[in-house]
Amino acid sequence: GAGVSQSPSNKVTEKGKDVELRCDPISGHTALYWYRQSLGQGLEFLIYFQGNSAPDKSGLPSDRFSAERTGGSVSTLTIQRTQQEDSAVYLCASSLGPSGGAAQETQYFGPGTRLLVL
Amino acid sequence: KNQVEQSPQSLIILEGKNCTLQCNYTVSPFSNLRWYKQDTGRGPVSLTIMTFSENTKSNGRYTATLDADTKQSSLHITASQLSDSASYICVVRANQGGKLIFGQGTELSVKP
Repeated sequence: GAGVSQSPSNKVTEKGKDVELRCDPISGHTALYWYRQSLGQGLEFLIYFQGNSAPDKSGLPSDRFSAERTGGSVSTLTIQRTQQEDSAVYLCASSLGPSGGAAQETQYFGPGTRLLVL
Repeated sequence: KNQVEQSPQSLIILEGKNCTLQCNYTVSPFSNLRWYKQDTGRGPVSLTIMTFSENTKSNGRYTATLDADTKQSSLHITASQLSDSASYICVVRANQGGKLIFGQGTELSVKP
């Protein structure tokens, strides 16, 4: 596709349920990022995938959060046993990667998945 | 501690007026600085990218400046339009390939 796509666009779930959020990055982009944005707050880094390297998971807020990137393309962010404080917009971004200079590091964001935990 | 501080937190201006948004950072070592525009309900979109050697970069009515000595950047918007209403986010990368540090954003509202 022309840009980063995410699904679902909106998700309402009950507290304690597991949710899976999907991200389709731009074709050829080796870097993929997940962020969380709470209402009125800045972007919070969650996890970063770069090629075949081990992901940078330093932003994951708890062990209930995990992410995978299969085949270097599609990524899935999983939140287990959701809590009300998990309610936020989850944004995915991709870039060409860090090796080509600043311009190639430009991240292209998807529209986000709005998660509401009741 | 690596931090990015933006000011003002919010700003209201009349259509056609100019405005300047500020970004101060303590990120070190510094690799590059980006300004993003985020429309309500959308993902951020890159406006400019600047490395330490660049002082000014323009993208249409948007002009970003960078002073690597004082660790300050500004985003100047000229002849504002209603469509400029958005959140503007300053992002600094520490080292090439290093972590991205996000500012909290400035919420700009352009009124007719």
